[in-house]
Amino acid sequence: GAGVSQSPSNKVTEKGKDVELRCDPISGHTALYWYRQSLGQGLEFLIYFQGNSAPDKSGLPSDRFSAERTGGSVSTLTIQRTQQEDSAVYLCASSLGGQGALNEQFFGPGTRLTVL
Amino acid sequence: GNSVTQMEGPVTLSEEAFLTINCTYTATGYPSLFWYVQYPGEGLQLLLKATKADDKGSNKGFEATYRKETTSFHLEKGSVQVSDSAVYFCALSDPSNTGKLIFGQGTTLQVKP
Repeated sequence: GAGVSQSPSNKVTEKGKDVELRCDPISGHTALYWYRQSLGQGLEFLIYFQGNSAPDKSGLPSDRFSAERTGGSVSTLTIQRTQQEDSAVYLCASSLGGQGALNEQFFGPGTRLTVL
Repeated sequence: GNSVTQMEGPVTLSEEAFLTINCTYTATGYPSLFWYVQYPGEGLQLLLKATKADDKGSNKGFEATYRKETTSFHLEKGSVQVSDSAVYFCALSDPSNTGKLIFGQGTTLQVKP
């Protein structure tokens, strides 16, 4: 079956512009995670969605970052007024949910964001 | 807070050599521990996991044992192959929380023929 898909695969933008990154999780997976992989910070958790529960936004680095998940499926990560330090690979993962730590997270290929 | 520390790379080995990548963690409660692998040009994949103390995770010839007394989860393989060249990430997840993963910095392994 299809895995986690993300689009676009690459995004180049100018400083100050807004960007939207999309994640399509595996069908039937109720848990969805966003992570960021950058040279300076390694792999960092950003935000977590589980079903209809309030998301865990504790990893978002600033109020320029937001995310939503419509209909419990597709998720969009939005970065407003991008800065050069936002340049990174943004990874999405999904899992069956429930006992979160015991369910394998399946990762998408990532979106490489470059802010000029 | 929770954190993971991995040995710095890159690690360069000859084919059939023995591999150890060290990983130690700091955590409240009883986390689950994972090794993820990222092959060149591919996404992150789960390699193995252990959910409680003394559990041994294994896959593709790789093994790691959850050691609570030393807060470690070292990755080992008896005989590496060129195809094992990749970046390896140690991670933990607190089962009482959301399942979000906290990763180490990653260790690049290069295996030469």
